[in-house]
Amino acid sequence: DVKVTQSSRYLVKRTGEKVFLECVQDMDHENMFWYRQDPGLGLRLIYFSYDVKMKEKGDIPEGYSVSREKKERFSLILESASTNQTSMYLCATLRQGAATEAFFGQGTRLTVV
Amino acid sequence: GQNIDQPTEMTATEGAIVQINCTYQTSGFNGLFWYQQHAGEAPTFLSYNVLDGLEEKGRFSSFLSRSKGYSYLLLKELQMKDSASYLCAPMDSNYQLIWGAGTKLIIKP
Repeated sequence: DVKVTQSSRYLVKRTGEKVFLECVQDMDHENMFWYRQDPGLGLRLIYFSYDVKMKEKGDIPEGYSVSREKKERFSLILESASTNQTSMYLCATLRQGAATEAFFGQGTRLTVV
Repeated sequence: GQNIDQPTEMTATEGAIVQINCTYQTSGFNGLFWYQQHAGEAPTFLSYNVLDGLEEKGRFSSFLSRSKGYSYLLLKELQMKDSASYLCAPMDSNYQLIWGAGTKLIIKP
């Protein structure tokens, strides 16, 4: 079974803090994604990565950055947290080929106060 | 642009059948996913269709028509635990999943 693990289930941070959300996968997948999900909206892509040290902006990258120094780890960084970044954050990997499937971490519910 | 359209909410009765429709427009196409998401949890995989037709997997079936930009998820013998949101997500030519807002399915006894 593919496992995607996010470092925290719940986080509360103060406005202006630098926040790190970590995601680790154990199946050697090349593609990794960070989404945020807000009520009434679909998953919105923040950043994605197709390989180590490679990153591409998604639809809503403003206020975020990412790091992928190792294949199994994809980190999302909020440089200076703001209240409008309160959301559910989901990390995912994509397996392509005979059994194409996207695998999700358990999600991190971030509250910025 | 890329667009997904699915109903916001549906209600059905335990034991019945429900069909959740999804229409989409994407830049290229590399298959379509259906995911189930219970409140406060991560999405879980239900199906992936890349060719036209119906694929059946237990109580759940998924249908795809690429020429019409249309898919549906069919749930049979509904159970209370099927109350969840159902997310339609086609994959575009860059292998990006395009997510709709999902359909909230409410099952009543």
